[in-house]
Amino acid sequence: DAGVIQSPRHEVTEMGQEVTLRCKPISGHNSLFWYRQTMMRGLELLIYFNNNVPIDDSGMPEDRFSAKMPNASFSTLKIQPSEPRDSAVYFCASSPGQGEIQETQYFGPGTRLLVL
Amino acid sequence: EDQVTQSPEALRLQEGESSSLNCSYTVSGLRGLFWYRQDPGKGPEFLFTLYSAGEEKEKERLKATLTKKESFLHITAPKPEDSATYLCAVQRGATNKLIFGTGTLLAVQP
Repeated sequence: DAGVIQSPRHEVTEMGQEVTLRCKPISGHNSLFWYRQTMMRGLELLIYFNNNVPIDDSGMPEDRFSAKMPNASFSTLKIQPSEPRDSAVYFCASSPGQGEIQETQYFGPGTRLLVL
Repeated sequence: EDQVTQSPEALRLQEGESSSLNCSYTVSGLRGLFWYRQDPGKGPEFLFTLYSAGEEKEKERLKATLTKKESFLHITAPKPEDSATYLCAVQRGATNKLIFGTGTLLAVQP
């Protein structure tokens, strides 16, 4: 299994530009999670999906952030417009089932975002 | 409010020097406590899940234990390749969300 795939691995952009991060979960997994990791705040959950439906987006910082999951094998996290404080590592993770039992989340390699 | 606190923030050991990492948590209705390892520039890698107080799990030089208020990750006779950041996370009832601690950065010197 290829594991969770994220692209791009690195992104450098200027303040005000739109940024799109992409994720392909592990095949057969029904839950997908977007996290942000910074030195100050550690790993924070932004949003998660079950069966392509957003279940909890309470961690999304503000309206500049949006996430979609158009099908079971693809998700995007978009920031528009980007700001320097959005600089962080963004991780995507997936887990096998419906969330009714304790489930392990498997993480991708992350996208390192730098907003100048 | 759900909270996870890890200590120490950083730990330096000599190869072969055993020690423990601590994860204290406050959560309503714990469903599971997870330990992950994170190497620089990589995503967290799953190590263990513990479900109830008294449970223990082992993998090579690592052993994780769980009480009603905290979990310990015991490292026996560590090697330099055990150097990484170790993250603890809790999952509470009726949700698939994980709440992470800020991690312990472990450095094992040869």
